Amino acid sequence: DTGVSQDPRHKITKRGQNVTFRCDPISEHNRLYWYRQTLGQGPEFLTYFQNEAQLEKSRLLSDRFSAERPKGSFSTLEIQRTEQGDSAMYLCASRQLKGTDTQYFGPGTRLTVL
Amino acid sequence: DQQVKQNSPSLSVQEGRISILNCDYTNSMFDYFLWYKKYPAEGPTFLISISSIKDKNEDGRFTVFLNKSAKHLSLHIVPSQPGDSAVYFCAAKTGANSKLTFGKGITLSVRP
Repeated sequence: DTGVSQDPRHKITKRGQNVTFRCDPISEHNRLYWYRQTLGQGPEFLTYFQNEAQLEKSRLLSDRFSAERPKGSFSTLEIQRTEQGDSAMYLCASRQLKGTDTQYFGPGTRLTVL
Repeated sequence: DQQVKQNSPSLSVQEGRISILNCDYTNSMFDYFLWYKKYPAEGPTFLISISSIKDKNEDGRFTVFLNKSAKHLSLHIVPSQPGDSAVYFCAAKTGANSKLTFGKGITLSVRP
């Protein structure tokens, strides 16, 4: 069990640029989640996948955001035309489909939009 | 509308003493609760959880108590250690919904 991994750990970009983050869940975890955390707040849900199917999207996920999990393993989160308000920690979590409801988080990707 | 509330932003405790971290919720449909610990620049680490059918769950130095009638849960850490200094998040979910709803977190400082 190697844990949830995310890449990159840090990303600095200029306003208007596109960015893409990757998440590799714990192997055999069917469900994968994306959250966003801003300073002084707890993580906020963005979206989640069961295998390759995207089952729920938050209203926080504007049309500039898109997430995929094409083969039911790793996932990508893309933000187009970044804005300064997108600066945050983007967290990925995974869990088993059956059994415990516990989600296990990765280290996050810190995005800074200049 | 904050459905999970951690009203105290910080707590300072002497090493060896008990730390009590509180959490309140408003959504009566929540049926599973979790506590996570977070260090700066890292992702949240799962600590302990409790189902709504229980009122207590214990794991080593960590105990979570759930009072459904008061919509309140608390995390007890005994004895507190300096390595426990971190931000602690309370989270909850409903059976019908997979996402977690988090509070804003409490910063715990354990003084040597």
